[in-house]
Formats: sequence, structure tokens, C-alpha cells
Amino acid sequence: SAVISQKPSRDICQRGTSLTIQCQVDSQVTMMFWYRQQPGQSLTLIATANQGSEATYESGFVIDKFPISRPNLTFSTLTVSNMSPEDSSIYLCSVGRGHEQYFGPGTRLTVT
Amino acid sequence: EDQVTQSPEALRLQEGESSSLNCSYTVSGLRGLFWYRQDPGKGPEFLFTLYSAGEEKEKERLKATLTKKESFLHITAPKPEDSATYLCAVQANSSASKIIFGSGTRLSIRP
Repeated sequence: SAVISQKPSRDICQRGTSLTIQCQVDSQVTMMFWYRQQPGQSLTLIATANQGSEATYESGFVIDKFPISRPNLTFSTLTVSNMSPEDSSIYLCSVGRGHEQYFGPGTRLTVT
Repeated sequence: EDQVTQSPEALRLQEGESSSLNCSYTVSGLRGLFWYRQDPGKGPEFLFTLYSAGEEKEKERLKATLTKKESFLHITAPKPEDSATYLCAVQANSSASKIIFGSGTRLSIRP
């Protein structure tokens, strides 16, 4: 498994601003993932972030809105840009170990 | 298109009342099927991986089984602390690492 931490755990932001979410892992991993979980819904993959390469975005998600950094094998950031109330959600990072994925505690974002 | 459907959406049981949660999947070659538990306000907690039809995994009161079309999560003599949302997810052979999640089953155990 892996120990994963996220910062912040929650935030309330104004419309039009941006928030950067940090994800730290206790050991080196090749593959990191960012998910969104809207209220009462299941998880939707935003993008896959491998160290040393550009993030790969899923259909419906674009780099201008959700820029991702992956500077090393234990850290990644996701920025939610130019936020609107529709971006209110829980954002989760996860790491891959073999075929399995392990998740961080999530960041609960509310946009007003 | 790869798809995961979980049923029921919600299940309320009395403590000690055993039951099963269903996960039906359509995938172009299954690499793995995963079960997670998610408590309110927390990230999903990994429970099991199943790779091939006929495989079973157990952990305390939980047992996961797999056929070619579906998986079951059997819960035996549940306790209130088993209350959570249980998520099923699949990974296809063609998807590299992408996992597709079902919508989950909210399980509530009454004392």
C-alpha cells in the first residue's frame, strides 16, 4: 500500500479564482492519478500524471482548466483554475502499485 | 464501452443479517476487478483485487467473488462499523492503468 497526504483537506473559494491541491506520497511511485468525486457520485478520472512526462487527460478535462505538475516521484499538484460553483467537489489523488490504486484522503472544495 | 453497474444503490441491514452486493461489468478483457470501501469524508480504502473467474478473496466479514460478468461482495454477520459505501471498479487489458468505478452501494447496518 502507500501513505498519501493531501493539502488542503478542504477550502472555500470565490468564483473565478484558482486553487492548487498538493499530493505527497511516502515512497516513490511512477503513476499518480487525479480524480473528482462530485456530491453523491462516484469517482471520475481527471488525468494520469507520470513523472517526466506530460499529464494525460481524460475526455472532458483539459490542461488549461486542470493543470498538473509532477516534479518528482513522490509529489504532484492539481490546480483547479478559474473556478465556478460546478467545480465544487472532492478531489482525490491516488497512486498505482502494480494493478492496484491507493487513494489519499481527498480535498473538499466548495466554490461560492 | 467499458462499464460498471452496482446494485442496490442503498442497503439497510440489521446487525448480523448477512447479504450480498452486486457489481456487473462489461469490459474488453478484464485485467482486474477491485473493491473499495469509502467512509464519509474520506478517500476510498482498498479491499480486494480479483483477476479471473472463480477467484475468491476474504477479509474479516467480507468475501468477494468473481464470474465472467459480475462480482459479489458478501458480508456475513455485519456490524454497525461495516456501514460505508462500497465501490467496485474494473481495469481493462487495453486501458494501461485506467480504472472505471461503479456508482457504489451505500450500506447501513443498524444495531
